[in-house]
Amino acid sequence: DTEVTQTPKHLVMGMTNKKSLKCEQHMGHRAMYWYKQKAKKPPELMFVYSYEKLSINESVPSRFSPECPNSSLLNLHLHALQPEDSALYLCASSQEGSGSYEQYFGPGTRLTVT
Amino acid sequence: GQSLEQPSEVTAVEGAIVQINCTYQTSGFYGLSWYQQHDGGAPTFLSYNALDGLEETGRFSSFLSRSDSYGYLLLQELQMKDSASYFCAVSLRSNDYKLSFGAGTTVTVRA
Repeated sequence: DTEVTQTPKHLVMGMTNKKSLKCEQHMGHRAMYWYKQKAKKPPELMFVYSYEKLSINESVPSRFSPECPNSSLLNLHLHALQPEDSALYLCASSQEGSGSYEQYFGPGTRLTVT
Repeated sequence: GQSLEQPSEVTAVEGAIVQINCTYQTSGFYGLSWYQQHDGGAPTFLSYNALDGLEETGRFSSFLSRSDSYGYLLLQELQMKDSASYFCAVSLRSNDYKLSFGAGTTVTVRA
């Protein structure tokens, strides 16, 4: 199984809502990532978890809150988002550090903030 | 910081060969990866180079010259399904978990 799954596929939320994005992988990967991607742009790294510990936070606003409940799951909690946060949110995983190992991406959650 | 440059668009006909160049400026270079992303899809890994030379995987090959801070992705025998965005990405010694992506090259294959 070389699949990363993400739910939901689409999400529309108001600026006062609280929602969560979920990501799951069963490949035994030890690193998991959240990326944000705007149309016609490359993925931008947001967070990296390594062995269930947050290892990188790319100065992401606190309205985005990641969580790694176990080695297979990754959540992104959203609160008080802005319209400019509308984007495709991609989860990825890799066996170890990305320098030597390919990252497997999920299909993404397309988020619209109204 | 680091910067990567790749062409924004390339158009070619079916059966042709396309080369997408990627030049990078960074300190502590570790490796260069290539990802493909179809419209509406997720990025998928194509290749990785850490050492100088050519890596071949089917119709796709990737090349790296560390001394020139340069790499390329070669797409051979182009097919319509190869129409997609292609991103080069560098990883650094200082932080092996982080991939920094180039802006992407949109490849359009015409019949």
